[in-house]
Amino acid sequence: AQTVTQSQPEMSVQEAETVTLSCTYDTSESDYYLFWYKQPPSRQMILVIRQEAYKQQNATENRFSVNFQKAAKSFSLKISDSQLGDAAMYFCAYRSSNAGGTSYGKLTFGQGTILTVHP
Amino acid sequence: NAGVTQTPKFRVLKTGQSMTLLCAQDMNHEYMYWYRQDPGMGLRLIHYSVGEGTTAKGEVPDGYNVSRLKKQNFLLGLESAAPSQTSVYFCASSYRQGGHYEQYFGPGTRLTVT
Repeated sequence: AQTVTQSQPEMSVQEAETVTLSCTYDTSESDYYLFWYKQPPSRQMILVIRQEAYKQQNATENRFSVNFQKAAKSFSLKISDSQLGDAAMYFCAYRSSNAGGTSYGKLTFGQGTILTVHP
Repeated sequence: NAGVTQTPKFRVLKTGQSMTLLCAQDMNHEYMYWYRQDPGMGLRLIHYSVGEGTTAKGEVPDGYNVSRLKKQNFLLGLESAAPSQTSVYFCASSYRQGGHYEQYFGPGTRLTVT
């Protein structure tokens, strides 16, 4: 079974600064997907960024980028130019590829990191 | 499109009572999921469904039952609620496009069992 670990329960950053959230995972699979989700106080789960394991290039979405280290099984999220609206709980998540036809899109989540943005 | 909706949004139950959470999606998605979110534990999969009339157990299925009689609805039942089932429950749905299963989440249901 796969596991996802977020070792930082809480992080804080000054507005306009950069912050990095950490995530490690454990799997014996070679093909999979990794995600970062944002959960603001509204509780809505919002997909921030997705990384496909077979792609060496790190994914980026505007101010959000990842550092994907497959050998180290590490998947960190960097938020640049932090904004007050970035304050939220962030979850790292793992999904098997469907090569075996049995993943059915199920996600395994980390424990979450609460990000506070100071003005 | 309403996307994924959940009913109710909040509920308080007494120990031993039963209830059903309703999840509905209007995107014609084949796959649906129920997760629970607890502090310090992230979201954990309770049950999922890969199509109308089919359900399967996830990571933490004990104490819950599910049904998918219609493609657009996925029901989560608690037959005899326990305080350990106090949690926020999320429903999600997805479709398969190649190797992708983009999950769409509902707004969550906060359940308190006293």
